[in-house]
Amino acid sequence: QKEVEQDPGPLSVPEGAIVSLNCTYSNSAFQYFMWYRQYSRKGPELLMYTYSSGNKEDGRFTAQVDKSSKYISLFIRDSQPSDSATYLCATPWASENTGFQKLVFGTGTRLLVSP
Amino acid sequence: DTAVSQTPKYLVTQMGNDKSIKCEQNLGHDTMYWYKQDSKKFLKIMFSYNNKELIINETVPNRFSPKSPDKAHLNLHINSLELGDSAVYFCASSPKVDRVGETQYFGPGTRLLVL
Repeated sequence: QKEVEQDPGPLSVPEGAIVSLNCTYSNSAFQYFMWYRQYSRKGPELLMYTYSSGNKEDGRFTAQVDKSSKYISLFIRDSQPSDSATYLCATPWASENTGFQKLVFGTGTRLLVSP
Repeated sequence: DTAVSQTPKYLVTQMGNDKSIKCEQNLGHDTMYWYKQDSKKFLKIMFSYNNKELIINETVPNRFSPKSPDKAHLNLHINSLELGDSAVYFCASSPKVDRVGETQYFGPGTRLLVL
């Protein structure tokens, strides 16, 4: 079992829809969570990060963490074709070998927003 | 004004060959990383360097040898390439290694295809 899991999709929605992207994790010690967005043939870029349980909002994007369920969500309101990308959740964790921080990524969910 | 750059963008080669990928960041960051993204978009860390010093080595075959001549550059040399090495390799950097959840900035990726 991977430490952070996502449905690979693709998730297809019409423009204007509310999108819900989800992530589950196995280690209850994970505390910080990030969402990276990756456009086709590009590198991932940080979209949002959150630490505590609850919601964090940034424009059309809302990140939600439920630590009791080990569940992370990213909501996109009024989705646009330009939101079409792969969304990766990630959490920082100490490397077993050296203790330095590394990012553990989920498998990513591909989102397609059609005009 | 590219932040994290990689060369080459595409690499097609035969099994058994040796190849190198170069990465440079002009962000003044201390820490650099190599990631491998497989065909299912799963992104996994391979190595990390902090100020030219190797700090993370995640169970990568020793055919892969990273090298950091200075903190702005991190190269990856791969010996005796195998079919399973086909993937997209991403370089990334972050400001400091010891801040939890530090944002990582990714390069555009190098698409390696081993025939």
